[in-house]
Amino acid sequence: GAVVSQHPSWVICKSGTSVKIECRSLDFQATTMFWYRQFPKQSLMLMATSNEGSKATYEQGVEKDKFLINHASLTLSTLTVTSAHPEDSSFYICSAPQGSGDTQYFGPGTRLTVL
Amino acid sequence: SQQGEEDPQALSIQEGENATMNCSYKTSINNLQWYRQNSGRGLVHLILIRSNEREKHSGRLRVTLDTSKKSSSLLITASRAADTASYFCATERYYTGANSKLTFGKGITLSVRP
Repeated sequence: GAVVSQHPSWVICKSGTSVKIECRSLDFQATTMFWYRQFPKQSLMLMATSNEGSKATYEQGVEKDKFLINHASLTLSTLTVTSAHPEDSSFYICSAPQGSGDTQYFGPGTRLTVL
Repeated sequence: SQQGEEDPQALSIQEGENATMNCSYKTSINNLQWYRQNSGRGLVHLILIRSNEREKHSGRLRVTLDTSKKSSSLLITASRAADTASYFCATERYYTGANSKLTFGKGITLSVRP
């Protein structure tokens, strides 16, 4: 199946700093990618839909100025958590559908810990 | 908002037994998918069933969909210790412009005792 990678796999940062997380589709192009957040022992919550060449679409309650999304190319989307705070500590996962198929391929996730 | 609700929330069985997990949802869907997640890892797609399908098989997995009851079940037969993981159902709806969204349930923690 298709492969989606994320980098870094984990990151620890100080409160107030910004952290960038990359999501790459390794063997296919993705005009759309999705960013999710998962708190411990909870479900995945869709944060935003990243669209190549246009602005991201954010879900209700997600601050677009805090979670900056850039879909720079057909294989790369980045999520930047700006001015991170401890409550932003979470597991961030991206996904991308391959072509027009229904199956989405998920990245391995990025564990963010804000001290 | 979460659409899928799985039950039970946690399931512990002996290796070799079958595991049945249920999922209910609230709105119309285009398809329903089941995913598996090992602790602290990404999601692995298990199986997809479309809204016009009632049952689907894949190896030891069997999934059913009842759109009239807005529910689905995932059966894992002859479970193995390696099946220990969290399982999520996710419903997919299509929106305008061919966009679609996956909405995940809360997940079921399956423990298979060797």
